[in-house]
Amino acid sequence: QKEVEQNSGPLSVPEGAIASLNCTYSDRGSQSFFWYRQYSGKSPELIMSIYSNGDKEDGRFTAQLNKASQYVSLLIRDSQPSDSATYLCAVNTDKLIFGTGTRLQVFP
Amino acid sequence: ETGVTQTPRHLVMGMTNKKSLKCEQHLGHNAMYWYKQSAKKPLELMFVYNFKEQTENNSVPSRFSPECPNSSHLFLHLHTLQPEDSALYLCASSQEGTSGPQETQYFGPGTRLLVL
Repeated sequence: QKEVEQNSGPLSVPEGAIASLNCTYSDRGSQSFFWYRQYSGKSPELIMSIYSNGDKEDGRFTAQLNKASQYVSLLIRDSQPSDSATYLCAVNTDKLIFGTGTRLQVFP
Repeated sequence: ETGVTQTPRHLVMGMTNKKSLKCEQHLGHNAMYWYKQSAKKPLELMFVYNFKEQTENNSVPSRFSPECPNSSHLFLHLHTLQPEDSALYLCASSQEGTSGPQETQYFGPGTRLLVL
């Protein structure tokens, strides 16, 4: 069974702090990795995609991939209350498998 | 209209009704997907269409019937549903190549379905 595991949270961080979201996956053949953000009652929207080991930065967001350890993480710097949402990790081998998501709460 | 659109946004139906969900993508993509999202569960892939051909049916009950008349439109026909089918149904699209990693999927706003 190919799985993607995330801590459901909630992860609570103060405004301005770094939020660190983690995801592990079971299929070593996975090739592409995505982070989606989903606000309550809304559909998922893409935040980051990453394909190679290492870090990928986009504004306040940094995705980190370690294929040897089979984990992918998302760092959000200078967290804002508007970042409060559920963050879905998705991993692709032959199809896209989603985790259950981590709920992030950023408090003022 | 841009991106991926879905109609209706909300639907309440009885177990004996027949209804259809519609999805349209304006991104020029060649692959479309139906997902089911229930509370506390991960997104569940239901159907995949590549170049209008169904390439995946994830053991979905026959009371759900997909239709893809062209690469821009996708339907999900519903009949004799059960209360446990109540969920958010999401459509997505992507541009698939013949090799390499799967490309990013873009989601529509979803249809919130309640089966009474």
